[in-house]
Amino acid sequence: QVQVVQSGAEVKKPGASVKVSCKASGYTFTAYYMHWVRQAPGQGLEWMGMVNPTDGNTNYAQKFQGRVTMTRDTSTNTVYIELSILRSEDTAVYYCARELPGQTYFDFWGQGTLVTVSS
Amino acid sequence: EIVLTQSPGTLSLSPGERATLSCRASQSVSSKSLVWYQQKPGQAPRLLIFGASSRATGVPDRFSGSGSGTDFTLTISRLEPEDFAVYYCQQYGSSGYTFGQGTKLEI
Repeated sequence: QVQVVQSGAEVKKPGASVKVSCKASGYTFTAYYMHWVRQAPGQGLEWMGMVNPTDGNTNYAQKFQGRVTMTRDTSTNTVYIELSILRSEDTAVYYCARELPGQTYFDFWGQGTLVTVSS
Repeated sequence: EIVLTQSPGTLSLSPGERATLSCRASQSVSSKSLVWYQQKPGQAPRLLIFGASSRATGVPDRFSGSGSGTDFTLTISRLEPEDFAVYYCQQYGSSGYTFGQGTKLEI
């Protein structure tokens, strides 16, 4: 069955970087794009960008360009998001979510990873 | 960027009642790209409706989606206790993916 398992919670200081992983199984890894969506405490959902596992191509939301990097490792079926120059407003649950190319929706989500930015 | 505005912010109903949730776009949206998710506390969102009106696998038929252009609706015909959650609409456009702010459906 499809599984998408994310790495555990992180606590970081302002100005630091964080890297979260998302390991997929139960389907053909390269057949689906992987997106990252975050949710600040008590707030709504915010799309951050996506990576194409086939070729590593990325598409980032304008808000995060220059501060976010999304990569993939096809040997372990894992995608990563790295967010740099963290500030308190980056405190959120970060989700990975897959999309069949062209479908424009996310049919399966990881369990989420809480990133806390605090001095 | 297309902005999605959901209303009401909170909807208080009882099991067995009908729920109607609205999602209004700041400009016309392709029906193909209008999606609804359900999120329960401490859980990831769950896909409910895609293409404005198609139910995802395993979604009960009491959930239905409709609309076009700038106005879309999610209807739950008879509320079950497990339906009380937050619902988000989402669209895909030239600027990427955007979500509405959510409607909380409470008992």
